[in-house]
Amino acid sequence: KAGVTQTPRYLIKTRGQQVTLSCSPISGHRSVSWYQQTPGQGLQFLFEYFSETQRNKGNFPGRFSGRQFSNSRSEMNVSTLELGDSALYLCASSIPTGGFDEQFFGPGTRLTVL
Amino acid sequence: TQLLEQSPQFLSIQEGENLTVYCNSSSVFSSLQWYRQEPGEGPVLLVTVVTGGEVKKLKRLTFQFGDARKDSSLHITAAQPGDTGLYLCAGASFSGSARQLTFGSGTQLTVLP
Repeated sequence: KAGVTQTPRYLIKTRGQQVTLSCSPISGHRSVSWYQQTPGQGLQFLFEYFSETQRNKGNFPGRFSGRQFSNSRSEMNVSTLELGDSALYLCASSIPTGGFDEQFFGPGTRLTVL
Repeated sequence: TQLLEQSPQFLSIQEGENLTVYCNSSSVFSSLQWYRQEPGEGPVLLVTVVTGGEVKKLKRLTFQFGDARKDSSLHITAAQPGDTGLYLCAGASFSGSARQLTFGSGTQLTVLP
């Protein structure tokens, strides 16, 4: 079974630009969560999508947005990029079962903002 | 805001030594998960502990969930270079249908041959 895939793997942008990252979950998984990982703040929850609806949102500014398509693939968008947005962006998919279901993480997209 | 504090932040030990990583919070979690992350990859789930006082063993790794479900520990016996990686604890909380994982800051473990 193929794992979670994220594209692109690496991205370099400049301040003020916008970026769209893509995540394809494991087949059959309907929940996709996004996280930002930085050396200083660690792994922080951005948002979770289930059946094309945002089910939960972390404490990030409105410049961070996302969506989920009917095939469960998800995209996240960051507008007006700032230097502090440089990070590893991870997505994770799960079935979910409603309980303590396992999240399977992709390899991440490394975003560098210059 | 729920916070999870991990200690130590960095750990460098010799092959064959034992070690313990701690994960503490002032909040109660529905469950607690431990992940390991290697460079260039996403975190991989090692174990989920659900019940206060629960102990789970995975080969040389022993995971414990505190009685009050606020803290957890990971103990590795006879560490090997293959154990090197970033260890993350994550607490699961639910609010209605919304589910969220709160991650600790991580423990970077290096096992030297």
